[in-house]
Amino acid sequence: GAVVSQHPSRVICKSGTSVKIECRSLDFQATTMFWYRQFPKQSLMLMATSNEGSKATYEQGVEKDKFLINHASLTLSTLTVTSAHPEDSSFYICSAPRQGQYEQYFGPGTRLTVT
Amino acid sequence: QQQVKQSPQSLIVQKGGISIINCAYENTAFDYFPWYQQFPGKGPALLIAIRPDVSEKKEGRFTISFNKSAKQFSLHIMDSQPGDSATYFCAARGTSGTYKYIFGTGTRLKVLA
Repeated sequence: GAVVSQHPSRVICKSGTSVKIECRSLDFQATTMFWYRQFPKQSLMLMATSNEGSKATYEQGVEKDKFLINHASLTLSTLTVTSAHPEDSSFYICSAPRQGQYEQYFGPGTRLTVT
Repeated sequence: QQQVKQSPQSLIVQKGGISIINCAYENTAFDYFPWYQQFPGKGPALLIAIRPDVSEKKEGRFTISFNKSAKQFSLHIMDSQPGDSATYFCAARGTSGTYKYIFGTGTRLKVLA
């Protein structure tokens, strides 16, 4: 199957700072990538759709100024959590579909802890 | 709003038994129904998937049954093993726009040795 990587796998930051999470499709090009957030023992919540060459599309209730998404190339999307607060602590997961296929391939996730 | 309802929330099965997880969706604007397996601290991994023109798909010990008229689909894990202990999510892919997934709420499966 296709491979999607995320970096870093874990990050701890202080309240008020910003954190950038990278999502890369390693063996295919992805014009679209998805960013999810998952709280403990809960389902995946779609935050936004990252589109190469255009602005991201955010789900209702997600603050676009707080969660900045940049789809820099056909293999890289980044999520920046700005002015992080403890309530932003969560597991962030990205995914990408291969063009022309139904499957979404998920990254291994990034555990963000804001102290 | 589109929803996918999943049950049960948790499931305990003896080794060698059959694990059954059910999902139901509310509208017909979906064209692909995958199941994902997730271990703690890991990203979801695709287990098996089905399209709505097929009523059943089997891959090894895993089977999806799909009932289009009832808008329901289920995952059956035969000969369940302790290594199957994980959280399982069903999902449905939308047919328009960016084809995003709607996920079920998840089922935590524990297989007793």
